[in-house]
This record gives sequence, C-alpha cells and structure tokens, in this order.
Amino acid sequence: SQQGEEDPQALSIQEGENATMNCSYKTSINNLQWYRQNSGRGLVHLILIRSNEREKHSGRLRVTLDTSKKSSSLLITASRAADTASYFCATVPRGTYKYIFGTGTRLKVLA
Amino acid sequence: DSGVTQTPKHLITATGQRVTLRCSPRSGDLSVYWYQQSLDQGLQFLIQYYNGEERAKGNILERFSAQQFPDLHSELNLSSLELGDSALYFCASSVETAVEGYNEQFFGPGTRLTVL
Repeated sequence: SQQGEEDPQALSIQEGENATMNCSYKTSINNLQWYRQNSGRGLVHLILIRSNEREKHSGRLRVTLDTSKKSSSLLITASRAADTASYFCATVPRGTYKYIFGTGTRLKVLA
Repeated sequence: DSGVTQTPKHLITATGQRVTLRCSPRSGDLSVYWYQQSLDQGLQFLIQYYNGEERAKGNILERFSAQQFPDLHSELNLSSLELGDSALYFCASSVETAVEGYNEQFFGPGTRLTVL
C-alpha cells in the first residue's frame, strides 16, 4: 500500500453534520497537508500541520496529527453542500522533496 | 484562481505521438511540480523543479521529460504516447524554503490528455 491512505474512501452525510476523514502514512514526515479537489479541478490547499503540532484549527476545519501512529484526521464541522469534494492528505517523507498524496476521501454532503 | 496557469486545457492525440504541456507558476514561486491523476492510479507525483534545477523525481516514465526555464515556466513533454497515458496532468507551484518542502502548493486547473 502507498504512503498516505485515507479512509473512508467515500462518505455521505447530511448538511449540518460533521465529517471526519483519516489519513495514514508510513515514514517520518516534516509536515502533513490536507487538500480539497472539486470534481476535475485543481487541488486547493486547506491546512498544514507540522510534525511537532498535535492539533490545528482553521475555520470549520480541525486537523489532528499523531506521529506515533503515523496518522492524521480532518474534521469538517457543520458541513455544507459546498463541502462536497474529494479530500487528500499529502506528506513529504523526511529526507526527500517528494510529495505523496493519499488515495482521497470522496465526501458528499446532502442538502 | 490559484495564479498557476496551464495550457492547453484539453488535448486529444493518437498513440505514438508527442505532446508538450505548459505551466506558468505563481509570481514569485520558484518551485514547480508536475502530477498525473488517473482513475486507477490516483494523484502521482512526477517531478519537481526548483529555480531551474531538477530537485525530486517521482513516478515519471522515461518517455516523459520536463524542464524549467529561466523565466520559471515549465514544460512537461510526453512522447511515444500510450492509451494508458490518458489522464489529468496538474502543475503546482510553491514558495520554497532552503530545506525540504514545507509549504502549501498552488495547483493549476490541469490539462486533460486523451490518447486515442
């Protein structure tokens, strides 16, 4: 399996509910980033969390990072139909410059 | 609008042909990245350039090559095209620090390549 795998692969929720997606990775990293992609469009950066941080907030987004478990989670609170998109985590293994994107979680928010 | 431009938006060509994809990074960004996104392989990192020099190579085939010019725009050349090369190709740029990439990437809208 590849570095950076998200689960679930797909998630369908009602507007107003919270959405949680998880990312696992394999090697030591300097930081972990989350991106959103609307269908067929370019990715948009959401939030970056450094390896020495455990939690970070940005608006309705909350990201956690557990380096001992090599995992991260992205929580979107009070979801909106406009949050419907695919969400990817991205890591740069320590000692490299190679960005590795996960397999993505497809989120569908029903109005 | 991310500030990263890619041309063309769509490209339809035949197997065996060669194409060139072009990317202009955001003003001031020294790093350019190329990615391939297909349904079965996800988003694959191909190559990164920093200020004209190749910095990292990912899953880039030997039939593919790239370069970054003095004005920092970049081109991705794909040759001897196969059906399996059909994909979305994204370019991204970022402001880089002197060490490993710590910064967010700004993605262009992509070039959709269809090989018939």
